Amino acid sequence: NAGVMQNPRHLVRRRGQEARLRCSPMKGHSHVYWYRQLPEEGLKFMVYLQKENIIDESGMPKERFSAEFPKEGPSILRIQQVVRGDSAAYFCASSPPGQGAHSPLHFGNGTRLTVT
Amino acid sequence: RKEVEQDPGPFNVPEGATVAFNCTYSNSASQSFFWYRQDCRKEPKLLMSVYSSGNEDGRFTAQLNRASQYISLLIRDSKLSDSATYLCVVNMLQTGANNLFFGTGTRLTVIP
Repeated sequence: NAGVMQNPRHLVRRRGQEARLRCSPMKGHSHVYWYRQLPEEGLKFMVYLQKENIIDESGMPKERFSAEFPKEGPSILRIQQVVRGDSAAYFCASSPPGQGAHSPLHFGNGTRLTVT
Repeated sequence: RKEVEQDPGPFNVPEGATVAFNCTYSNSASQSFFWYRQDCRKEPKLLMSVYSSGNEDGRFTAQLNRASQYISLLIRDSKLSDSATYLCVVNMLQTGANNLFFGTGTRLTVIP
C-alpha cells in the first residue's frame, strides 16, 4: 500500500526555466494539497485540489505558479520562469474523501527544488 | 497575528527528561488539532491527533484548551530518537477547504 509518491526528489533548475513537480496520492485518496517549506521556516499551504477541481488556491502566488489534478494521472505543481526565491521543499499531501475537518494528512517525501 | 504560534526552541534535554511544548492558535472556530513530527529534511508525519478530552499515546500526552486557545504536547522519559521538530497543526476549515495551518515547529534535541 504505497504512500504519497512525489517525484523527483531533487530538482535543479536555472533561473527562468520551468519546474514540474508531480504527486500521486495514496490509493483511495481524492484530495491533494501542496505545501511549501522554505529553509528554517514552517510549511505554508499553497493549494488544495480534488480530481479536476481546484478547491482552494489562496496560498498560491498570483503569477508563475499553477496546479492541476487531472482525472487520470498525478497532480502537477508547475512553476514557470523560476527565480532563486522559489528554492524550497515542496510537499504534497493527500487525504481520503468524506472525513471532513478531522482527517490528518499523509505527506509525500517532498521535492527539493534548487534554483541556480 | 499568525494563525498558529509555537516557541521555536531549541529545547535541549537529557535522556529520560520530561519536556512540554505549547502552541496557541488564533481562530476560535478551529475544529481539528494535531501534532506532527518532522525529522531533518524529511516529510512531516502525524504524531497524534488532539481531542478535547486530552489523549495519551505511550509516552506522549496531548491536551487542548479551547477557552485559552492552546494545545500542548508532553513527552515523558525522552529518548534519543525523539529528537526532531514538533509541528503544531490546526484545521481552520475556511471556505470549505480542508486545509491545515502549521506552526513553525519546536526543535527538540535529546542529549545522551
